[in-house]
Amino acid sequence: KQEVTQIPAALSVPEGENLVLNCSFTDSAIYNLQWFRQDPGKGLTSLLLIQSSQREQTSGRLNASLDKSSGRSTLYIAASQPGDSATYLCAVANIYNFNKFYFGSGTKLNVKP
Amino acid sequence: DTGVSQDPRHKITKRGQNVTFRCDPISEHNRLYWYRQTLGQGPEFLTYFQNEAQLEKSRLLSDRFSAERPKGSFSTLEIQRTEQGDSAMYLCASSFWPTGGATDTQYFGPGTRLTVL
Repeated sequence: KQEVTQIPAALSVPEGENLVLNCSFTDSAIYNLQWFRQDPGKGLTSLLLIQSSQREQTSGRLNASLDKSSGRSTLYIAASQPGDSATYLCAVANIYNFNKFYFGSGTKLNVKP
Repeated sequence: DTGVSQDPRHKITKRGQNVTFRCDPISEHNRLYWYRQTLGQGPEFLTYFQNEAQLEKSRLLSDRFSAERPKGSFSTLEIQRTEQGDSAMYLCASSFWPTGGATDTQYFGPGTRLTVL
């Protein structure tokens, strides 16, 4: 079974700082990996999807990297803003059942003005 | 463009009662997923449908839980004889699965928060 771990569980940074969120997974036979954002009491918004053949994806101030061999992904947020405050979730789909996402428990980010 | 919608957004019930939640996916999406999320945790997969067929159910889905997607459009998730441990956010997601097989991202609804007293 795939185990997904996210570190740290919570992070508080001043506005403008660049930051990195970490995700690790135990089974490297992944189909894809996705980063989501979740605001309090709300559903999930997809940020970036990385296919297993890709090394990274970028969208605006966000950059996600994938290293399958080491079982790691990072989400880099540049020039953080208070509006980035949310919980960030990493989800992995395996190659033998890519219909099912395994989620980490998230990193709760607080960006202070 | 309407996203995934869920109804109700909040439900408070007493232990032992039955509850039913509804999910309306994005209209052209043929796959629909249900997840459960407890406080401080990531979502856990419960079940998914391709059109009206339920293709997989998690072991988390006990016999008190039943999901349907009768016409391949909206879906319902029913919990019978609710227990306090059922208190959670129930999330629905949908995606389009083309014949070629490449997966698309899942789009999530706002969730239904269930509180069992």
